[in-house]
Amino acid sequence: SSELTQDPAVSVALGQTVRITCQGDSLRSYYASWSQQKPGQAPVLVIYDKNNRPSGIPDRFSGSSSGNTASLTITAAQAEDEADYYCNSRDTSGNHVVFGGGTKLTVL
Amino acid sequence: QVQLVESGGGVVQPGRSLRISCAASGFTFRSYAMHWVRQAPGKGLEWVSVISYDGSNKYYADSVKGRFTISRDNSKNTLYLHMDSLRPEDTAVYYCAREYSTGWYLAFDLWGQGTMVTVSS
Repeated sequence: SSELTQDPAVSVALGQTVRITCQGDSLRSYYASWSQQKPGQAPVLVIYDKNNRPSGIPDRFSGSSSGNTASLTITAAQAEDEADYYCNSRDTSGNHVVFGGGTKLTVL
Repeated sequence: QVQLVESGGGVVQPGRSLRISCAASGFTFRSYAMHWVRQAPGKGLEWVSVISYDGSNKYYADSVKGRFTISRDNSKNTLYLHMDSLRPEDTAVYYCAREYSTGWYLAFDLWGQGTMVTVSS
């Protein structure tokens, strides 16, 4: 198994750019995926693979990766982007899945 | 429409069993690996288990291995999670999720709305 580490909380001013990071050994072998979860709702996939967005996800969401760190960047953050964000990847065995602890994004 | 709908949650005493279900519709269920992911109240997401598209491969988180069993019925487009020897720490919303992956990444591109399981005496 392995772990993914995220900052518990991040804030950004409306219209500014914010980066949310995710660190872990598994990210040296596998790309992270990112999901957004708003209160009382199920998660929604926002980024997968190297930097791909599902249909309907705004292009202000982007992903990147370097070494053991993956990043989710929101350019010109909007009020509706306030949510919890979770990274996940395969674990180092390749057979299990590991989630980060989540980052609560506040848009000021 | 494309959706996953969980059911079967409820309140159960410690040590007892419960089976929850996830009904899939709007897509070719038998073509996808499926997962269970849970979220304890006020906590983050925790991966629980995965089953391959044809049911031949199953994997479990260490926290549930030996107590939970994942299964599927492709003729009924339904995913199951049978939970034995339930503990208070199993209390969570249980989500089913569809896998979208290659060898280099694994994402969950479709989630159900979740079903709440409460383990309490």
